[in-house]
Amino acid sequence: GAVVSQHPSWVICKSGTSVKIECRSLDFQATTMFWYRQFPKQSLMLMATSNEGSKATYEQGVEKDKFLINHASLTLSTLTVTSAHPEDSSFYICSARVEGPEDQFFGPGTRLTVL
Amino acid sequence: LAKITQPISMDSYEGQEVNITCSHNNIATNDYITWYQQFPSQGPRFIIQGYKTKVTNEVASLFIPADRKSSTLSLPRVSLSDTAVYYCLVGEPSTSGTYKYIFGTGTRLKVLA
Repeated sequence: GAVVSQHPSWVICKSGTSVKIECRSLDFQATTMFWYRQFPKQSLMLMATSNEGSKATYEQGVEKDKFLINHASLTLSTLTVTSAHPEDSSFYICSARVEGPEDQFFGPGTRLTVL
Repeated sequence: LAKITQPISMDSYEGQEVNITCSHNNIATNDYITWYQQFPSQGPRFIIQGYKTKVTNEVASLFIPADRKSSTLSLPRVSLSDTAVYYCLVGEPSTSGTYKYIFGTGTRLKVLA
């Protein structure tokens, strides 16, 4: 089956710094990837849709200048959390769009902790 | 799309059948319903997807009534390893470049020995 990886799996940073999270489709090409955020004991919330070669589409309430998304190739999308603050601490999960009944394959997630 | 609701938690014993419901009153015509399993600190794992009536695969069944305002995931004989959080997802894959995926509130299933 399709495999999606994320790097790093966890990161701790100081408030005010920027953090980049990578999402890769390992054995297939994905023109579309998605970024989700999940706070403890809550559901996943779609943050943005990442389209290869074009600008990302952000969901309402998600600041595009704070959460920078780059989808430079068919196998890689990156999410950069700029000037991170403790309230940005969360579990960030990406997925890659696939044709067929499963629609999207999810990565393992990245735990971000901002001190 | 209004909030998609699920029971917060359920307990079951090994070997029993478990049915988890999802309420999606404002589902759109083109929306599909997908169910996922999530273990702590992991990404969701696909279980099953359907549009209407009944779908069955090797691990679960999905029942969707005619009005499609709800759906029920059925796990036939649960084991301890099925202890996890289960989410329904309502969404519409799009060819226009925009997508709409909304997860349900999640149901924490605990399977007891």
